[in-house]
Amino acid sequence: GNSVTQMEGPVTLSEEAFLTINCTYTATGYPSLFWYVQYPGEGLQLLLKATKADDKGSNKGFEATYRKETTSFHLEKGSVQVSDSAVYFCALSDQTLMFSGGYNKLIFGAGTRLAVHP
Amino acid sequence: DVKVTQSSRYLVKRTGEKVFLECVQDMDHENMFWYRQDPGLGLRLIYFSYDVKMKEKGDIPEGYSVSREKKERFSLILESASTNQTSMYLCASSLVLGGPWMDEQYFGPGTRLTVT
Repeated sequence: GNSVTQMEGPVTLSEEAFLTINCTYTATGYPSLFWYVQYPGEGLQLLLKATKADDKGSNKGFEATYRKETTSFHLEKGSVQVSDSAVYFCALSDQTLMFSGGYNKLIFGAGTRLAVHP
Repeated sequence: DVKVTQSSRYLVKRTGEKVFLECVQDMDHENMFWYRQDPGLGLRLIYFSYDVKMKEKGDIPEGYSVSREKKERFSLILESASTNQTSMYLCASSLVLGGPWMDEQYFGPGTRLTVT
């Protein structure tokens, strides 16, 4: 079935280090892919998204490229800050995941906790 | 600014109690969702509503029910709370679903429910 696999955390980095959080997926059809971020004590926020192969989503210095050949959507940032400390969720939406009303839904990965220290 | 609010941030209930979790959105969104978030499992969809009085089961509906009497409000009900329902509950809303474009879901801050 459809699924999302993320690298296990926690990921601990020093400020200004390079970040990669791996995400791979299995899906039928042509999914859209997302990264959501959850800061401490808050709900999830959409960080970036990509809707077709080779698209690059970007926001706040974060980037992820939709790689259909490797079924991956890895999150990267060139220089992390303490304020980036959060839990990051990779997710997919597939048109084949339909409710009876014809609506598709999100499948989330388990989440990866990032801790950045000064 | 878009906003999804949940009635409580922390809740402690006893086994067998009936529990109501309330969610309100001020964005006039048609779609609303209830998820539970557990360590190592990510978010799992409990129920979804695409219109007033309409609901669809998600992946883990057992032990839960929902109510949507008004467009802005979506309630999650635990008819008889059990300890395995101790979790973080997240509500979300979105404007439109379907087609190749998945519209963004906006999340509330969550309710951490402990059942003792």
